[in-house]
Amino acid sequence: DTGVSQDPRHKITKRGQNVTFRCDPISEHNRLYWYRQTLGQGPEFLTYFQNEAQLEKSRLLSDRFSAERPKGSFSTLEIQRTEQGDSAMYLCASREGLAGTGELFFGEGSRLTVL
Amino acid sequence: SQQGEEDPQALSIQEGENATMNCSYKTSINNLQWYRQNSGRGLVHLILIRSNEREKHSGRLRVTLDTSKKSSSLLITASRAADTASYFCATDLVKLVFGKGTKLTVNP
Repeated sequence: DTGVSQDPRHKITKRGQNVTFRCDPISEHNRLYWYRQTLGQGPEFLTYFQNEAQLEKSRLLSDRFSAERPKGSFSTLEIQRTEQGDSAMYLCASREGLAGTGELFFGEGSRLTVL
Repeated sequence: SQQGEEDPQALSIQEGENATMNCSYKTSINNLQWYRQNSGRGLVHLILIRSNEREKHSGRLRVTLDTSKKSSSLLITASRAADTASYFCATDLVKLVFGKGTKLTVNP
């Protein structure tokens, strides 16, 4: 399967711990996006990369959040000192083209529960 | 903040009926896209309509776009129980900004 894959699918952690999520986009896609989704809401934009460059970060992305995309391939999203309000589904998506238009291909998400 | 706003928030219909969902947005766009999400899963792209298009069809889906009113609608004809899901519109200007979605339930 050559779709977008995310790992882990589920993560339960205690408040104050650090967590890291990984996203492997479709290989030829140079744009990669992270979204956060809470129950009953639509996905909220967090950040996106074009190749290895992080081009935009939402104000939702506090200092405790950091995302990287070394070598323009897979990406990681790290949350430090987790809080209960961080509990959500973290979605990764990718798309091709430097113009950055066209459909997004989503992974199945990483669900975070902070106790 | 989310730009697109879907209406209604929830819709329950019988199999075979048509389902119409509306989306309003606030700023200019390159295109508008509709996605579907089954519970606990990722989003799946349904259809994209460009800002210079007014109507687009794909199978049982029909999408309209009115840029003067900053609104779009998604029509699903002859609905099936398998269409039960949440549907989101997303405005595309470099990044996609999603609405809160319409939760569609199709009863067999």
